[in-house]
Amino acid sequence: DSGVTQTPKHLITATGQRVTLRCSPRSGDLSVYWYQQSLDQGLQFLIQYYNGEERAKGNILERFSAQQFPDLHSELNLSSLELGDSALYFCASSVGGGPTDTQYFGPGTRLTVL
Amino acid sequence: GDSVTQMEGPVTLSEEAFLTINCTYTATGYPSLFWYVQYPGEGLQLLLKATKADDKGSNKGFEATYRKETTSFHLEKGSVQVSDSAVYFCALSPGANSKLTFGKGITLSVRP
Repeated sequence: DSGVTQTPKHLITATGQRVTLRCSPRSGDLSVYWYQQSLDQGLQFLIQYYNGEERAKGNILERFSAQQFPDLHSELNLSSLELGDSALYFCASSVGGGPTDTQYFGPGTRLTVL
Repeated sequence: GDSVTQMEGPVTLSEEAFLTINCTYTATGYPSLFWYVQYPGEGLQLLLKATKADDKGSNKGFEATYRKETTSFHLEKGSVQVSDSAVYFCALSPGANSKLTFGKGITLSVRP
């Protein structure tokens, strides 16, 4: 158990809908990261927050947004969902958010768009 | 941009066999290098890391050495166990930030 929690574990929804994925980092970690894992794209970095502020951005679609709240939990919002958004979404956290820091991954949320 | 290339899989070995999984990278500056493992139905776990050239990361019998001259970070284990069956990902974070770039991953199956 990494100490990172993600909810829900599974999510099934329809095209065009909007969903919210939630992540609670390990106690004491200030940085949160979101990754998408799909069969065709592999594991891709989406976005990083550090202590409530956006720190780095990857290949995140404009239909996707995220935020980190004062209690350090984070939410990833996915809207106007398409079939291709079906994937496993991982959250990770680290203490400081630097390039040598170890990122601890949660168990993931599996999103299925029908 | 940054990239990580892993050898093609899957790999199937007998218990106690020697394991090598190749990983090479392309990056500007001085990246940190990582191996993560994903067991079925679980998230990724850090296996080992190295943050500068010639560093050797090691954990649970696995080792990898950061070779800047060959831009490689190959994973090795002298004697694999059935419990090592999993997907292994090589990854890097560039010197400027901490966003991880992953290889495609390789599935290892160890048979008794």
